[in-house]
Amino acid sequence: GEQVEQLPSILRVQEGSSASINCTYENSASNYFPWYKQEPGENPKLIIDIRSNMERKQTQGLIVLLDKKAKRFSLHITDTQPGDSAMYFCAASASGTYQRFGTGTKLQVVP
Amino acid sequence: EAAVTQSPRNKVAVTGGKVTLSCNQTNNHNNMYWYRQDTGHGLRLIHYSYGAGSTEKGDIPDGYKASRPSQENFSLILELATPSQTSVYFCASGDTGHNTGQLYFGEGSKLTVL
Repeated sequence: GEQVEQLPSILRVQEGSSASINCTYENSASNYFPWYKQEPGENPKLIIDIRSNMERKQTQGLIVLLDKKAKRFSLHITDTQPGDSAMYFCAASASGTYQRFGTGTKLQVVP
Repeated sequence: EAAVTQSPRNKVAVTGGKVTLSCNQTNNHNNMYWYRQDTGHGLRLIHYSYGAGSTEKGDIPDGYKASRPSQENFSLILELATPSQTSVYFCASGDTGHNTGQLYFGEGSKLTVL
């Protein structure tokens, strides 16, 4: 009961449009939900995170939504640019537990 | 910026051989982690540590051992490497005692077991 599911695995969008990635988690005690971006050949880096006391967080073209009832959270990238092309991972953790990751979404922003 | 460094960055090993992947962090983080990354599986936790002298099993610990001799260093040991352990391994550190905080990843170690 600890898995994190992430969809879609591949997402292709037109430059300037929005991209959305969805994750679900099983552990109702989860209270921290980070998103990491991984460029080819590099390490994952945190881009935005949200804690369970919030439903929405926004920063620099990124929006994260959290629905605790549905145990679902999502990343929305507005006005996508070629530099947004990368792998994106969601993760979830509860206090006293380690972060479990989704299987990743490969985002391709095409001209 | 947190600094986590891994060595070696690339390693080719033979089946049955011993492999040690090393990780060093200079940020005085209590928690350190070893993940492996495989296509279709994302990042899966192998072992982690809450501090010097402690190691804990993650979700896929079979075939791996870990060692945390100091706050700064965390090693992953494959005593008898197998081709199924061919992967990219990431070390990470975090600075919260309750695992609810940002992870800082090393650059990764690509291991090929022939």
